[in-house]
Amino acid sequence: NAGVTQTPKFQVLKTGQSMTLQCAQDMNHEYMSWYRQDPGMGLRLIHYSVGAGITDQGEVPNGYNVSRSTTEDFPLRLLSAAPSQTSVYFCASSYLGQGYEQYFGPGTRLTVT
Amino acid sequence: DAKTTQPNSMESNEEEPVHLPCNHSTISGTDYIHWYRQLPSQGPEYVIHGLTSNVNNRMASLAIAEDRKSSTLILHRATLRDAAVYYCIRLNYGGSQGNLIFGKGTKLSVKP
Repeated sequence: NAGVTQTPKFQVLKTGQSMTLQCAQDMNHEYMSWYRQDPGMGLRLIHYSVGAGITDQGEVPNGYNVSRSTTEDFPLRLLSAAPSQTSVYFCASSYLGQGYEQYFGPGTRLTVT
Repeated sequence: DAKTTQPNSMESNEEEPVHLPCNHSTISGTDYIHWYRQLPSQGPEYVIHGLTSNVNNRMASLAIAEDRKSSTLILHRATLRDAAVYYCIRLNYGGSQGNLIFGKGTKLSVKP
């Protein structure tokens, strides 16, 4: 199993540009989520999904869109990048239900200039 | 609101036990306690979780106080690879998937 994969590893955007961060998992997990981590801080939940076709907002959803058309993939779209979105983005997945551990990807480091 | 309180940092010597404390005084009866850690430049990884009784796995032990208002993650013999930020997280599944709410965690340094 590859686990949770994220692409790209690094990205530099100009203010106002849009892009999609990719996340994929091969463990047949129903639950997937996106977090952002700013320097020296803990992770903050952006969006999450409990299955294909179902998404919901987390703590900091503004400026981001998600969709879940398949179990495997959960892309995160930045609609119009802003310097405040400079951060490291982590994707995670797990089985649904109590007690299942979440598996995190290696992260995407995004810089918006 | 992470709803847990942890020391900002701790130090340990290699091959000695480490006790990482966590306070969660407003915990409800159905909240689980999860611990994750984040090594430098990596995503978080699961360590252990529990509800009421103490738990052991290959990585660590989790001791939960009888009143459940605090818990302690125990690394039995710290190695240099255990240097990381450790997050204590309350998780209430509430009938649906619970979301992890991270605080700032405890940064553990391990000295050789």
